[in-house]
Amino acid sequence: QVQLVQSGAEVKKPGASVKISCKASGYTFIFSAIHWVRQAPGQRLEWMGWINAGNGITKHSQIFQGRVTITRDTSANTVYMDLSSLRSDDTAVYYCARGMSGASKAFDYWGQGTLVTVSS
Amino acid sequence: QSALTQPASVSGSPGQSITISCTGTSSDVGGYDSVSWYQQVPGEAPKVIIFDVDTRPSGVSNRFSASKSGNTASLTISGLQSEDEADYYCSSYRTGAAYVFGTGTQVIVL
Repeated sequence: QVQLVQSGAEVKKPGASVKISCKASGYTFIFSAIHWVRQAPGQRLEWMGWINAGNGITKHSQIFQGRVTITRDTSANTVYMDLSSLRSDDTAVYYCARGMSGASKAFDYWGQGTLVTVSS
Repeated sequence: QSALTQPASVSGSPGQSITISCTGTSSDVGGYDSVSWYQQVPGEAPKVIIFDVDTRPSGVSNRFSASKSGNTASLTISGLQSEDEADYYCSSYRTGAAYVFGTGTQVIVL
């Protein structure tokens, strides 16, 4: 069965960076995209960006103004999301989600979420 | 980049039907048949309940249905049950290979 397993919770100071991993299993890794979505406490879902796991091409939301870097390691079936210059309002649960195959543009499987707390 | 607009909350009694709207622009909802809907129970990851505007994934109750007209998509829950109490988000593909979520709607079963 398809599974996305994320790395554990992180506590970071303002200005630091955080790197979260998302390990995929149960399907052919390079045939799908992986998206990153975050949710601040009590707030809505916010799309951050995605990577084509096959060719490594990425696209990021303009909201993050170059602070987000998404990479993948095909040998480990793992996608990484690096967020730099952290601020207190980056405190959120970060999810990875698989993009549906074919022409559908939805997210069919989600990781369990990683809580990132930014605090001095 | 603005979010899609949803009502903050919608309520109904068990057995009733409710509808949640999701309003965007011609660059997202109105321009593509790529609206999806997600159910999120607090503390859990979202779950897709509708994709490609009106398609239910296998295993999702047929009490959930959806449609789109112009720049507004809608999700209807029929025969409302207590287990439907959750937050619901729409999402759409947006011009430029981007995606956007809605503001979210809390469904309250009275």
